[in-house]
Amino acid sequence: ETGVTQTPRHLVMGMTNKKSLKCEQHLGHNAMYWYKQSAKKPLELMFVYNFKEQTENNSVPSRFSPECPNSSHLFLHLHTLQPEDSALYLCASSQDGLAGGSYNEQFFGPGTRLTVL
Amino acid sequence: AQTVTQSQPEMSVQEAETVTLSCTYDTSESDYYLFWYKQPPSRQMILVIRQEAYKQQNATENRFSVNFQKAAKSFSLKISDSQLGDAAMYFCAYRSANSGTYKYIFGTGTRLKVLA
Repeated sequence: ETGVTQTPRHLVMGMTNKKSLKCEQHLGHNAMYWYKQSAKKPLELMFVYNFKEQTENNSVPSRFSPECPNSSHLFLHLHTLQPEDSALYLCASSQDGLAGGSYNEQFFGPGTRLTVL
Repeated sequence: AQTVTQSQPEMSVQEAETVTLSCTYDTSESDYYLFWYKQPPSRQMILVIRQEAYKQQNATENRFSVNFQKAAKSFSLKISDSQLGDAAMYFCAYRSANSGTYKYIFGTGTRLKVLA
């Protein structure tokens, strides 16, 4: 596997279910991100992890719970979601450091299309 | 707070022609990065081109080039010799160059249609 991978690619869940989204990056990057992408809205940054430490939490409801066990893996645990949480969830990674080269460029996964019934 | 605005929800271009996508941003910082990302239908988002704010020279990548106007806070993307494979959503993004800042600000995107 190369780049950033996400599983599952599609997920349908009821409001009382608990599920998890998984992201893995094979690029040796030090930062990982969760975004929510809804139609006709800008990408919404949800969480950022740098060297496994959470550095950003953009007022995300507690029904979304991130986990970063190491610098290559990122999870998003979901429970008691609402229909308005249906969206494409994107994971990304980057290598943050000095300017130049591919530093600071984000590499995205294919996303998980989530539907909450 | 920084903002990124893409005022063109949708654009069309004839194959082999040139099209320019607009992006404006607002920031009080002097050092930052700007990006254009492409998201084809049902495919992964990929970087098209990036520009460091301290560089005056406009970035180019093959058929893709930018017109970076720092004073005007404008960062437009020009696609020359458009191809059918260029059809996608294009997102403009901003990121501070401050160390320890990991927040990227994205615009709402422009859907580009390429007509055969």
